[in-house]
Amino acid sequence: GAGVSQSPRYKVAKRGQDVALRCDPISGHVSLFWYQQALGQGPEFLTYFQNEAQLDKSGLPSDRFFAERPEGSVSTLKIQRTQQEDSAVYLCASSLDPQAFEVDRYTFGSGTRLTVV
Amino acid sequence: KQEVTQIPAALSVPEGENLVLNCSFTDSAIYNLQWFRQDPGKGLTSLLLIQSSQREQTSGRLNASLDKSSGRSTLYIAASQPGDSATYLCAVWGAAGNKLTFGGGTRVLVKP
Repeated sequence: GAGVSQSPRYKVAKRGQDVALRCDPISGHVSLFWYQQALGQGPEFLTYFQNEAQLDKSGLPSDRFFAERPEGSVSTLKIQRTQQEDSAVYLCASSLDPQAFEVDRYTFGSGTRLTVV
Repeated sequence: KQEVTQIPAALSVPEGENLVLNCSFTDSAIYNLQWFRQDPGKGLTSLLLIQSSQREQTSGRLNASLDKSSGRSTLYIAASQPGDSATYLCAVWGAAGNKLTFGGGTRVLVKP
């Protein structure tokens, strides 16, 4: 596709439910990032993939958060036993540049807004 | 740990005024700094990227400066228009890791 696609756009989960958020990056993009953006705040880094390898997961807030990208394209962010503090917009971004620190432009998806009730 | 701060948090100006948005960061060891625009319910759109060796970048009515040694960047938007209303985020790519660190954003409202 022309851009980074995220689904679903909106997700309401009851506290304790598991959720899975999907990111379809731009075809051929090597690098993929997940960010969490709480209401009124800037995005915060969660994890980074280069192809299928998860090179940095230092931003995942707890072991309830898990991300994968098994074939180096689509990525899924899974949150187990959701809690109210998980309510946020989850943004995915991809980059063609395999050397992440030399990134010129990210392309961000529109995000998934997760509300935990 | 890199921290990025944006001041002010919100700004309201009449159409035609120039906008000045400030960003500061605590660790000057960066590869680059980017300014993004975020519209409600939308993703981020990259506006300008300044490499660590550069002092400024310009695109149309937008100009961004970078003073790496003092940990500061400023985004200027000339002759603001109602369509400029959005949240503006700055982010730095630190030399220490593979990620952008964002500021909290400045919400801009340009009144017709």
